[in-house]
Amino acid sequence: QVQLQESGPGLVKPSQTVSLTCIVSGGSITSGGYSWSWIRQNPGKGLEWIGFINNSGDTRYNPSLKSRVFISGDTSKNQFSVKLRSVTAADTGVYFCARGIVAAGTVGEYFHPWGQGTLVIVSS
Amino acid sequence: QSVLTQPPSVSGAPGQRVTISCTGSSSNIGAGYDVHWYQHLPGTAPKLLIYGKNNRPSGVPDRFSGSKSGTSASLAITGLQAEDETDYYCQSYDDSLTGWVFGGGTKLAVL
Repeated sequence: QVQLQESGPGLVKPSQTVSLTCIVSGGSITSGGYSWSWIRQNPGKGLEWIGFINNSGDTRYNPSLKSRVFISGDTSKNQFSVKLRSVTAADTGVYFCARGIVAAGTVGEYFHPWGQGTLVIVSS
Repeated sequence: QSVLTQPPSVSGAPGQRVTISCTGSSSNIGAGYDVHWYQHLPGTAPKLLIYGKNNRPSGVPDRFSGSKSGTSASLAITGLQAEDETDYYCQSYDDSLTGWVFGGGTKLAVL
């Protein structure tokens, strides 16, 4: 049973870079057929997909965040990370990591499972 | 402003049936992409409820079902229970944004 667990600094100052890590257990991030995404929820708002890294190390980002985001994977630790630079108060929220799946007969990926999320507060 | 539009809240009495709508456009739901649904209790991991063409992961009761028509989709919950009171999100893929998109979420109240 795959499980994901996020970790991060909690509090970040404006204009700095926040780094978050997702540790994956019960499955390998190099397993074929899956991608590994970061998704966030700003206070009082819905969910926003940030980007993913797949089993081959290829990445794709939300165009609205692409200039500030970098996602990387560490196969030796079976984890993947996201760096978001030049943060502002608008980046405050809960950040989730999730596994992306395309099942047979399904058009488009869905996310399962998810981590519990890590809160990031951008404040001076 | 979310790409997929959901009602902010819905409500129903125990035992009743409620539906949650998810409205998109020709670049996402209308383009043929499936709509997936999640249940999220704040402070916990979002849980996959429905994926693809009305498929339920193991452990999700058949009280939950999904449907899609044109540029919209719906989540139906029958036999409403107190434990269903939480937030629900729809998700699909968008060709214009070349990425995954979510609804703004719907808070379900069980009266």
